[in-house]
Order: sequence, then structure tokens, then C-alpha cells
Amino acid sequence: EAGVVQSPRYKIIEKKQPVAFWCNPISGHNTLYWYRQNLGQGPELLIRYENEEAVDDSQLPKDRFSAERLKGVDSTLKIQPAELGDSAVYLCASSTDPTGSLEMETQYFGPGTRLLVL
Amino acid sequence: GNSVTQMEGPVTLSEEAFLTINCTYTATGYPSLFWYVQYPGEGLQLLLKATKADDKGSNKGFEATYRKETTSFHLEKGSVQVSDSAVYFCALSGGGYQKVTFGTGTKLQVIP
Repeated sequence: EAGVVQSPRYKIIEKKQPVAFWCNPISGHNTLYWYRQNLGQGPELLIRYENEEAVDDSQLPKDRFSAERLKGVDSTLKIQPAELGDSAVYLCASSTDPTGSLEMETQYFGPGTRLLVL
Repeated sequence: GNSVTQMEGPVTLSEEAFLTINCTYTATGYPSLFWYVQYPGEGLQLLLKATKADDKGSNKGFEATYRKETTSFHLEKGSVQVSDSAVYFCALSGGGYQKVTFGTGTKLQVIP
């Protein structure tokens, strides 16, 4: 079974430029998450989708960040314009129905996109 | 709110040494507890989990016991290998949905 796929793996941009990250979750996983992981820190949730609906975006800086999950499968996270402080690893994860048994709590992570803003 | 505190690294051990990485948590209710591992250049992988008090999660020689009385979930392995070198994250999941709170990670380096 293929895991969570993310692209690109690395991105270097200048500040004030836009950037977009793409995620393809594990087939059949209806829940998708975007996390940001700063250097030396644990991941922090940015947004969570249940199918195509964003059900928790309280930590997403909405002035410059946006996300979409059209058709409830692939997702794109965008930053416009990027700032120096946005340099981090952006992780995508997916899981099955969270309203089911506790066995469904496992989130499967992609390799991440490492962003460097100059 | 929920929080996870784990010991700072890096932790450097010789091969076959005993490993303990401490993790304590603060949460309301009855969270599930996890250890994730991140190998260089890769995403996080679930290592083990425990969903209720006194449960022991185990995988690949690693184990951790959910201690509600001490709000701890320490990771242990009896004999580490060079291939265990990675960053280990303690995490908890609580509330009505899968909101996972991660610790800051502990880097483990095992030398031959």
C-alpha cells in the first residue's frame, strides 16, 4: 500500500513569493492533516479536513495561508506571500474515520516538504 | 490545554545499551498516548501506542507503559542498535477528535 505522498520534497524561495505544497493521502483515508514542524520542535497542526470540509483550521494563519481539498482526496497548502519565519517542514498526514474505534486514531505521515524562505 | 514534555536530547548511547526516553503529559480526560519515530529525511512513523491506563505498547523491541498516576509514558528498549538512531516524539490524542499534541522530540544517536 502506498503511503502519504508529498511534493515537492524541498523548496527554496525568496520572501514575499508564493509557494504551494501538494499532498496525496493514503487511499480511503477521509481525514487529512497539515502540520508545520519548526526546527527542533514537534509538529503543530495547521488544519484538519474531514473529506472536503475543513473542520479545524483554528491554527492556520489565514492572512497568508490557505488550503483546499477538492473532491476530498488530494490537498494543497499555499502560502502567499511567504515570510522568513515560514521556513519549516510542512507535513501532511492522513487517517481513517476518527469517529470510529480507537484503532482509527493512527495518523500516517508523509515525508514532508522542507521550505526555506530567503 | 494538552501538553507533552519529553527529555531533551541528544541522547548518545553505545550499541546494546539500555534506552529510556522520558515523557510526561498534561491532559484532561483520558488521552491516548503515542511514540512516533522520525528517521533522517523521512516522515514520522508510529512506533507504538497505548489507549488506556496501564496499557503497554510495544514494537520493534521498544515498549512504553501508560502510567496515569504519574502522567507518564516513558519509552524503553533493552538493547539499542545503530539503526535506532532517529528522533523520537511522544504525543497524545485527546478530546472529541484526533487532535494530536506532540512533544519537542528527542534525538537518539547510537554509536557502534
